Amino acid sequence: DTGVSQDPRHKITKRGQNVTFRCDPISEHNRLYWYRQTLGQGPEFLTYFQNEAQLEKSRLLSDRFSAERPKGSFSTLEIQRTEQGDSAMYLCASRRESSYNEQFFGPGTRLTVL
Amino acid sequence: TQLLEQSPQFLSIQEGENLTVYCNSSSVFSSLQWYRQEPGEGPVLLVTVVTGGEVKKLKRLTFQFGDARKDSSLHITAAQPGDTGLYLCAGQPLRGSWGKLQFGAGTQVVVTP
Repeated sequence: DTGVSQDPRHKITKRGQNVTFRCDPISEHNRLYWYRQTLGQGPEFLTYFQNEAQLEKSRLLSDRFSAERPKGSFSTLEIQRTEQGDSAMYLCASRRESSYNEQFFGPGTRLTVL
Repeated sequence: TQLLEQSPQFLSIQEGENLTVYCNSSSVFSSLQWYRQEPGEGPVLLVTVVTGGEVKKLKRLTFQFGDARKDSSLHITAAQPGDTGLYLCAGQPLRGSWGKLQFGAGTQVVVTP
């Protein structure tokens, strides 16, 4: 399987705890995106990496959120001091440099904050 | 306010019927994608349209990009239960940066046998 993978698929945590999600993009894709999706809505952009450089962050990404892509391959998204409002599906997508912005999504990580 | 407005929000039809889903905006897009999403899964890319007036066909699905690249439609002929899912349109605004996609809220399609 050469698609985008995400781990874990589901995470249940208590308010105030820290959580970290991982995304492994398609191997030849140098661009990686994180999105968040809540019930009844389409995905909303969180942040973007070109290789290892984080080039854009949404205003949705508060100081409690941090993302890395240390070697330009996999990426991690960490949420510190989780709040109930953080409960959502966190989606990762990747694309090639030269494409009509065709982004391929992973299966997502469903976060539930109790 | 969503940059892309999808209609209808929900569509329930019988197997064999046809359906059309619309995606509208006041902004111009350099490209537009359609995705289908199953519950608990990530969106799966169906098609990308780039040129104004472009029509693409994928088996029983027909996608059209408006001449002004502000709107798009998805038409399904002779729908089957396997077509059930959340259909999302997404695009990169002409003046957008870094390729981040703007999504519509989606159209939930249910096809009953």
